[in-house]
Amino acid sequence: AQKVTQAQTEISVVEKEDVTLDCVYETRDTTYYLFWYKQPPSGELVFLIRRNSFDEQNEISGRYSWNFQKSTSSFNFTITASQVVDSAVYFCALSDLYGQNFVFGPGTRLSVLP
Amino acid sequence: DTAVSQTPKYLVTQMGNDKSIKCEQNLGHDTMYWYKQDSKKFLKIMFSYNNKELIINETVPNRFSPKSPDKAHLNLHINSLELGDSAVYFCASSQGKIRGNIQYFGAGTRLSVL
Repeated sequence: AQKVTQAQTEISVVEKEDVTLDCVYETRDTTYYLFWYKQPPSGELVFLIRRNSFDEQNEISGRYSWNFQKSTSSFNFTITASQVVDSAVYFCALSDLYGQNFVFGPGTRLSVLP
Repeated sequence: DTAVSQTPKYLVTQMGNDKSIKCEQNLGHDTMYWYKQDSKKFLKIMFSYNNKELIINETVPNRFSPKSPDKAHLNLHINSLELGDSAVYFCASSQGKIRGNIQYFGAGTRLSVL
């Protein structure tokens, strides 16, 4: 069975600090996909990134970066120079090849204080 | 312009009533989903339809019945509402049969059963 663990339930940082959100997954599939979604206080779920299991290159998008380590089954998300607008619940998710088994982690609530 | 739209955004009702939530997507996707998000923000898939056919049906009470009149719509009807049904319900869509298909979410419907 597929499983996603986000051990950090809540994190608080002060604006401009860097913060890393952890994600650890379990799957027996050799091909799978990992995702991060953001849920701001307004409630919608916003897609941030998708990574397939064969691509371990780290990705950077502005202040966001993602570190995929297959050896430790982790897909961590770092926000550099955090801003108040980054305050949200962040979900890591895992799916099989065609998304039939799409599993979300429990989420990490990030509060960025001014 | 909204890609995945749900109505209503808020739904307050009494126990025992029957209610429906509508979902429409204009992304041309062939797969749609319903998720339930509980008070602890945990997201769990309820149903998935591909081209109007049910492909995922998690352990959900029979009081919940999805209906897909066409591949752009997936409505959720709930009979005999119970207090425990109070949650935020999200509709999502994706293009099935594509590797690592991304799910795009609606804004959610907050259901409060009194």
